[in-house]
Amino acid sequence: GAGVSQSPSNKVTEKGKDVELRCDPISGHTALYWYRQSLGQGLEFLIYFQGNSAPDKSGLPSDRFSAERTGGSVSTLTIQRTQQEDSAVYLCASSLLAANPLTNEQFFGPGTRLTVL
Amino acid sequence: AQSVTQLDSQVPVFEEAPVELRCNYSSSVSVYLFWYVQYPNQGLQLLLKYLSGSTLVESINGFEAEFNKSQTSFHLRKPSVHISDTAEYFCAVTISGGYNKLIFGAGTRLAVHP
Repeated sequence: GAGVSQSPSNKVTEKGKDVELRCDPISGHTALYWYRQSLGQGLEFLIYFQGNSAPDKSGLPSDRFSAERTGGSVSTLTIQRTQQEDSAVYLCASSLLAANPLTNEQFFGPGTRLTVL
Repeated sequence: AQSVTQLDSQVPVFEEAPVELRCNYSSSVSVYLFWYVQYPNQGLQLLLKYLSGSTLVESINGFEAEFNKSQTSFHLRKPSVHISDTAEYFCAVTISGGYNKLIFGAGTRLAVHP
């Protein structure tokens, strides 16, 4: 079966522009996570979805960042008015269930490399 | 809050030599522990995990890690490395009873030389 997919794989944008990053989780996975991997900060948690709701948004770095999930499937991470410090690889992961540790393995997508010029 | 420290940013080693990648964590509550591997130009993959039970856990490719609660450590070891083990390794924790968001260490780049 297909794994987690993300698009685009690479995105180059100019400072101040808005970008949208897409994540398609594994079919049937109810939990979805966004992480960011950057040189200065390592791998950081951004937001967690259970179904279409986001009970944990604590990792979003500023109000320029938002995310939504529709139909319990696809998720979009939006960054408004991008800044150079937003340059990073944005990773999406999904898991079958979040609450049960025995079934909580997170499967990661290949990531979207965002470069803000 | 939880945190993870990987003491070595880079570990160079010769093929067939043993290796240990160190990981220490800090948490006031019970945690689950993970090692993820990222091969060049590939996504993150789960290598092994400790949830409960035996403190020594093994992966299918010869790595093992031991959970040491008193030392709050989860070091990753392999007795004999291969060139193909060259990758970045991330230690991570998640708290029990939570949403299983992963808190990662900074990563250790393992470079295996012939």
